[in-house]
Amino acid sequence: ETGVTQSPTHLIKTRGQQVTLRCSSQSGHNTVSWYQQALGQGPQFIFQYYREEENGRGNFPPRFSGLQFPNYSSELNVNALELDDSALYLCASSLAGGGDTDTQYFGPGTRLTVL
Amino acid sequence: RKEVEQDPGPFNVPEGATVAFNCTYSNSASQSFFWYRQDCRKEPKLLMSVYSSGNEDGRFTAQLNRASQYISLLIRDSKLSDSATYLCVVNTARRALTFGSGTRLQVQP
Repeated sequence: ETGVTQSPTHLIKTRGQQVTLRCSSQSGHNTVSWYQQALGQGPQFIFQYYREEENGRGNFPPRFSGLQFPNYSSELNVNALELDDSALYLCASSLAGGGDTDTQYFGPGTRLTVL
Repeated sequence: RKEVEQDPGPFNVPEGATVAFNCTYSNSASQSFFWYRQDCRKEPKLLMSVYSSGNEDGRFTAQLNRASQYISLLIRDSKLSDSATYLCVVNTARRALTFGSGTRLQVQP
């Protein structure tokens, strides 16, 4: 096991609602990355947090936002949910010095269904 | 064009077979390369990093050709437990991993 945990494991929401997903990184890791994986696709990078600051962002709209806390745990918030937001949301933790990204270890994911 | 392209498969092979997966990437500035394995409805797990000199881990061999922007994974003596989706992954922007869509492998008895 990677030591990365996510909650909840499953979630059902309706269009227009807001959702918060949580991730606890592996002990000693200071970087958390979030990915969205739609069915049949590879994970797509949403954003990364390093020492509580956003450290890079993929091609996702501003309604996807995040936080990283002093203990390096993290949240992903999605506002105004759309049907296409239905996916597996993965967080990955790593240890980085602010430069190159090191090996990322994934949590089990949160499966979000938007009705 | 996708940044990382893989043959989606599925590859159906008998136990004991040798199977090879290929992957191409479009960004010549890519720095790090990996193969991840993903079981159905589970998270991706790192299988191995890929180095320019090629590297081997037991039955698994990975190769990288920077000039052709091509990555491969060879699995020898396939086991039933190797059945999974294999994701080719490239670290392009120093912050994000870029994944291919994955190649599904089904090893049959």
